[in-house]
Amino acid sequence: ETGVTQTPRHLVMGMTNKKSLKCEQHLGHNAMYWYKQSAKKPLELMFVYNFKEQTENNSVPSRFSPECPNSSHLFLHLHTLQPEDSALYLCASSQAAGIQGASGNTIYFGEGSWLTVV
Amino acid sequence: KNQVEQSPQSLIILEGKNCTLQCNYTVSPFSNLRWYKQDTGRGPVSLTIMTFSENTKSNGRYTATLDADTKQSSLHITASQLSDSASYICVVSQYYGNNRLAFGKGNQVVVIP
Repeated sequence: ETGVTQTPRHLVMGMTNKKSLKCEQHLGHNAMYWYKQSAKKPLELMFVYNFKEQTENNSVPSRFSPECPNSSHLFLHLHTLQPEDSALYLCASSQAAGIQGASGNTIYFGEGSWLTVV
Repeated sequence: KNQVEQSPQSLIILEGKNCTLQCNYTVSPFSNLRWYKQDTGRGPVSLTIMTFSENTKSNGRYTATLDADTKQSSLHITASQLSDSASYICVVSQYYGNNRLAFGKGNQVVVIP
């Protein structure tokens, strides 16, 4: 248990569906992140939120729409996805606001949501 | 080209044996290097983090080393257990701006009885 909870753990959706991934952190952190993990590829940073404000969008297609209502919750809304979007989507949080890689800023990951687009 | 390269991509080891995983990076200027363990179907969990001035750091049976001059790190697993079967991800932080993280693809380790 890392203190970051993701739901659902598994999701299968059609290309015309609309679905959402949810993330909640119980660590009192100020920064939250969405990462994409595809087979045999490094983790890809998608979005960064600090104090519920988006500070980074790593050129993510608009069919992925994040939402951060407060510092503890993060959503990823999915709409008209493509089969190549099938991957493990990881939510993460950290204490420091936006200083992802600072030595005192450990990133805590959730268990991930396995997404399959058919 | 990825800034963090890990080798071997995968390996199989017998329970009780030791193994060493390698991480070479080109990230510059360097801030810190982390090793994460990711069990199949789970999120990564932090094992160690080392800054420029640290050469070695241990976490139980895991020992990480860092040579910032040659830009190399290794993760040594001692007396492997079946629960060590996982992907081990090397992550390097760049020292500027918001300290962007560069991820390796991971070393896939399978421990067999």
